[in-house]
Amino acid sequence: TQLLEQSPQFLSIQEGENLTVYCNSSSVFSSLQWYRQEPGEGPVLLVTVVTGGEVKKLKRLTFQFGDARKDSSLHITAAQPGDTGLYLCAGVDNYGQNFVFGPGTRLSVLP
Amino acid sequence: SQTIHQWPATLVQPVGSPLSLECTVEGTSNPNLYWYRQAAGRGLQLLFYSVGIGQISSEVPQNLSASRPQDRQFILSSKKLLLSDSGFYLCAWSPNSGLLVTEAFFGQGTRLTVV
Repeated sequence: TQLLEQSPQFLSIQEGENLTVYCNSSSVFSSLQWYRQEPGEGPVLLVTVVTGGEVKKLKRLTFQFGDARKDSSLHITAAQPGDTGLYLCAGVDNYGQNFVFGPGTRLSVLP
Repeated sequence: SQTIHQWPATLVQPVGSPLSLECTVEGTSNPNLYWYRQAAGRGLQLLFYSVGIGQISSEVPQNLSASRPQDRQFILSSKKLLLSDSGFYLCAWSPNSGLLVTEAFFGQGTRLTVV
């Protein structure tokens, strides 16, 4: 069974600080995705990383896929209250048609 | 562009009553379709997925069933709800190119409370 772990589980920071959240597994994934979810809404796709070692940037968010394609990180520079939410990582399972989701990191950015 | 519609947004049902949640996708054909359940503020548990009309795979034994009567329609049902069926239900779709899926797109979710 493929599992994804995320850390930290909760994170509360002040506006303007930098932060990094992690997504780890003992399994290799063909790709990993990051989603952000706000209360009462469905997750929204932020990025998909496919190649080991790949780095993608989305404004103040930087995503990295580990060389071995077993882990990923999300770094946010100068966090803003609008970044508050549940950050979920997901990977495509061995059958290639389903997604395995991590438990999420709940981020709170205080003004 | 593709859109996904899921309804209702909230639902309060008594124990033992039936359930029907509907999800439709527009702007694409032959998508993979998924039903997830999410515990409060946590990750997503895959309930059912479908790669085509009438093709349903169940991931977790439970009191629920799913059907795909049309290419872009996915329905989650129960004959008799249990208290433990309460939760946040999410429908999602993914492009099906015959190769590996790479990303999922979610509906707004249904908050189900069984009383």
